[in-house]
Amino acid sequence: LAKTTQPISMDSYEGQEVNITCSHNNIATNDYITWYQQFPSQGPRFIIQGYKTKVTNEVASLFIPADRKSSTLSLPRVSLSDTAVYYCLVGEWSSASKIIFGSGTRLSIRP
Amino acid sequence: GAVVSQHPSWVICKSGTSVKIECRSLDFQATTMFWYRQFPKQSLMLMATSNEGSKATYEQGVEKDKFLINHASLTLSTLTVTSAHPEDSSFYICSVPISGEQYFGPGTRLTVT
Repeated sequence: LAKTTQPISMDSYEGQEVNITCSHNNIATNDYITWYQQFPSQGPRFIIQGYKTKVTNEVASLFIPADRKSSTLSLPRVSLSDTAVYYCLVGEWSSASKIIFGSGTRLSIRP
Repeated sequence: GAVVSQHPSWVICKSGTSVKIECRSLDFQATTMFWYRQFPKQSLMLMATSNEGSKATYEQGVEKDKFLINHASLTLSTLTVTSAHPEDSSFYICSVPISGEQYFGPGTRLTVT
């Protein structure tokens, strides 16, 4: 299972774009990169998943370089409600694959 | 709507008693479910993999006789914390893999007094 490294915490302001980078040097060929968001006392919520290059959905973009050893979650125009912990996870995502959480990044958004 | 539910959402019990937490997959059948524990300000820690029709697989350091897991059907897995102690107080979360994505339950807050 690929280990991930993220910044422990980040601060930003409302309306700004926030980029959280995750390092996963030992990513395997069959591994996908998935980001989750967690609010206090709630289960993690899926944000975005990708394998290579760039993926975009209604809430975020995920940038993955060619070597796939890192990835960047981009949150456009953040608001106070984006204050949460963000986890970068790497794995095969088959039904039997267990997921190991890293430390996550605690994002704080200020007015 | 919610894909995975947990019951109860919170529970308080006395030291020495046992507590059962349910995890249900609402619209999908799941042969595998995962159980996590999360202490305040910490990340989720995988406890065990629940397998329908067979024994659960526990992570290193997790006592299988203390945390009993029963995957009774394709939509239900239960975690029983036996002889609970205050150090077992935590946030317990289950997840269900569906079509390549992990769906997490809302969590159960356990407080042991």
